[in-house]
Amino acid sequence: KQEVTQIPAALSVPEGENLVLNCSFTDSAIYNLQWFRQDPGKGLTSLLLIQSSQREQTSGRLNASLDKSSGRSTLYIAASQPGDSATYLCAVSGGGNKLTFGTGTQLKVEL
Amino acid sequence: DVKVTQSSRYLVKRTGEKVFLECVQDMDHENMFWYRQDPGLGLRLIYFSYDVKMKEKGDIPEGYSVSREKKERFSLILESASTNQTSMYLCASCFRSGNTIYFGEGSWLTVV
Repeated sequence: KQEVTQIPAALSVPEGENLVLNCSFTDSAIYNLQWFRQDPGKGLTSLLLIQSSQREQTSGRLNASLDKSSGRSTLYIAASQPGDSATYLCAVSGGGNKLTFGTGTQLKVEL
Repeated sequence: DVKVTQSSRYLVKRTGEKVFLECVQDMDHENMFWYRQDPGLGLRLIYFSYDVKMKEKGDIPEGYSVSREKKERFSLILESASTNQTSMYLCASCFRSGNTIYFGEGSWLTVV
C-alpha cells in the first residue's frame, strides 16, 4: 500500500527566503505526482503535475523535482512571500484514478 | 478556468438525517471524486466516478453512496448521518486519469 510522508509538518521562514518542501513515497511505481496548495478552510489548488517520465516542472517561483527511484519529490519556492503561507500537499498516482495524499506541510512566511 | 462548484459550504444536520452534497464541474471532465479531509488523517477517497452512472468505491465508502446521472454533476449521499461523519468534504474532477485534478471549495458538514 502506497504511503506518502511530508516532513516537516510545519515550517516558519522569514520573507524572501528560498525554501524546500519534501515529499516521500514508499512505492516507486507511480504514474505521476502532484503538488497542491490549500488555504485555511478552502479546497486544494493544483500547483504542479510531474509525470513519472519527467524530472522536474517549473511554474513561476515554484520548481518541483521528482526522483522516482528514491521515492522523493521536492517543491522549491524561491523568494518566499507572506502570500505563500498555506498548507502544501503532495499526492501520488499509481495509475487509474487513485491518488494517495500526504498530510501536508503548513508553511508560514513571516514579514 | 476550470470550476468545480460545491453547492453547500456549511451544513449542520441531525443524526439519522439523509444528507445530499452536490458537486458540479463545468469542463466536461470524465472523472469526478469525493474525498473527506480530517485533521491528522489527510484526504481519503470515498467514491469516484469515471463516467455517467459509473462509480467505484474508494478507501472509505461505508455509510456513503453516490449518484452521477449527468456528466457534470456528482452527488454524495449520507443515507443516515452519524456524528463520525462530521468532516470537510471535497469534490474534485479531472479530464482523464493522470491529468491535473481540480478541487471545489469544500463543504463543512457537522452532524449533531
